[in-house]
Amino acid sequence: GAVVSQHPSWVICKSGTSVKIECRSLDFQATTMFWYRQFPKQSLMLMATSNEGSKATYEQGVEKDKFLINHASLTLSTLTVTSAHPEDSSFYICSALRQGTNEQYFGPGTRLTVT
Amino acid sequence: QKEVEQDPGPLSVPEGAIVSLNCTYSNSAFQYFMWYRQYSRKGPELLMYTYSSGNKEDGRFTAQVDKSSKYISLFIRDSQPSDSATYLCAMRYSGGSNYKLTFGKGTLLTVNP
Repeated sequence: GAVVSQHPSWVICKSGTSVKIECRSLDFQATTMFWYRQFPKQSLMLMATSNEGSKATYEQGVEKDKFLINHASLTLSTLTVTSAHPEDSSFYICSALRQGTNEQYFGPGTRLTVT
Repeated sequence: QKEVEQDPGPLSVPEGAIVSLNCTYSNSAFQYFMWYRQYSRKGPELLMYTYSSGNKEDGRFTAQVDKSSKYISLFIRDSQPSDSATYLCAMRYSGGSNYKLTFGKGTLLTVNP
């Protein structure tokens, strides 16, 4: 159990376009999900905390208008990178907090390349 | 001083060796401690989860937490080539609705056949 999926697993887009990444908890409910960014050979950088039915909480320095987060249900959160630029190219990983526990499970990640 | 310190390695061991991975932290408010394994280009996988001080064993893996020293460890017995990955320690505070994890930088482990 405790499987988290992400879609797509990789995406290439042109500069100026928007990209949506989905994060789903497949076999458990998650009132809280997290979005991370990871650069090569570096640790995970938390971007925002997503709570079901409420606005996301963004970490300092993360542009909320650029990285739109929606947590519409207990099993789905989406991250939309708006007006993407090459510097947004990165590995984006979501995690889901299993409801009623302190266990956080990660998705497989989405590799975004902006050309 | 960073909140969580972890030696990035790389660490290279022969198959069958006992591996010891460690993290130190500075904030005594951390109460929950986790170890994640991350293969290249994949998301982290939760390996071990412990609350407060003590030991926890799961198969070939043992996690230890020493809160008095602010030191946590992960031991891997009978290491296998498939254990080759980056190991991340993570921790969070107790209570409230703050579930944010603070990660170490990760230790890259290679187990040689």
